[in-house]
Amino acid sequence: GENVEQHPSTLSVQEGDSAVIKCTYSDSASNYFPWYKQELGKGPQLIIDIRSNVGEKKDQRIAVTLNKTAKHFSLHITETQPEDSAVYFCAALRYSSASKIIFGSGTRLSIRP
Amino acid sequence: GAGVSQSPSNKVTEKGKDVELRCDPISGHTALYWYRQRLGQGLEFLIYFQGNSAPDKSGLPSDRFSAERTGESVSTLTIQRTQQEDSAVYLCASSLRQGDTEAFFGQGTRLTVV
Repeated sequence: GENVEQHPSTLSVQEGDSAVIKCTYSDSASNYFPWYKQELGKGPQLIIDIRSNVGEKKDQRIAVTLNKTAKHFSLHITETQPEDSAVYFCAALRYSSASKIIFGSGTRLSIRP
Repeated sequence: GAGVSQSPSNKVTEKGKDVELRCDPISGHTALYWYRQRLGQGLEFLIYFQGNSAPDKSGLPSDRFSAERTGESVSTLTIQRTQQEDSAVYLCASSLRQGDTEAFFGQGTRLTVV
């Protein structure tokens, strides 16, 4: 089955700087890679996703990149703001097949004022 | 237009008692997931329902854990003879169909076993 590794487990950046979180996956057939953000006391919420037919996707200050050959993908947050402080989870799965979502272990991002 | 609803939001139980956690998915969502999140930890997969297919129970940690879902509606997660290590937040999520669409999470049930 799929195994997703995520690094780092904690990340502290100065407000306004960029943050990068990296994930690797094991199943070469995985073709859908969502990122979820979990704020304190809440359930995770999808913030961006990417499918294997593209290498990069951007949405305002957030971008994801995918390297299928190396089986890794990354989340990039630019111009970080206090509200970006949260736990971020990556996941990898095959879409169009009945599949549980296996998440990485999470990254706790703290934005220093 | 409600999201995923979980009840109760908090549950304190004595060791050895059984508990039942409920999840109401978004109407029309065929896929439903249960996860366990211990304090400060990640999302541990428990069980996955997809339509009328047999559920994927591969994440259930012991035979004390079971879950049911009636059609494409409510799901209940039952923990029998609770132990202190069962203390965690139990999260439910649903998605429109398998795989590629957004999974919407509930707020979770915080279970404390004393």
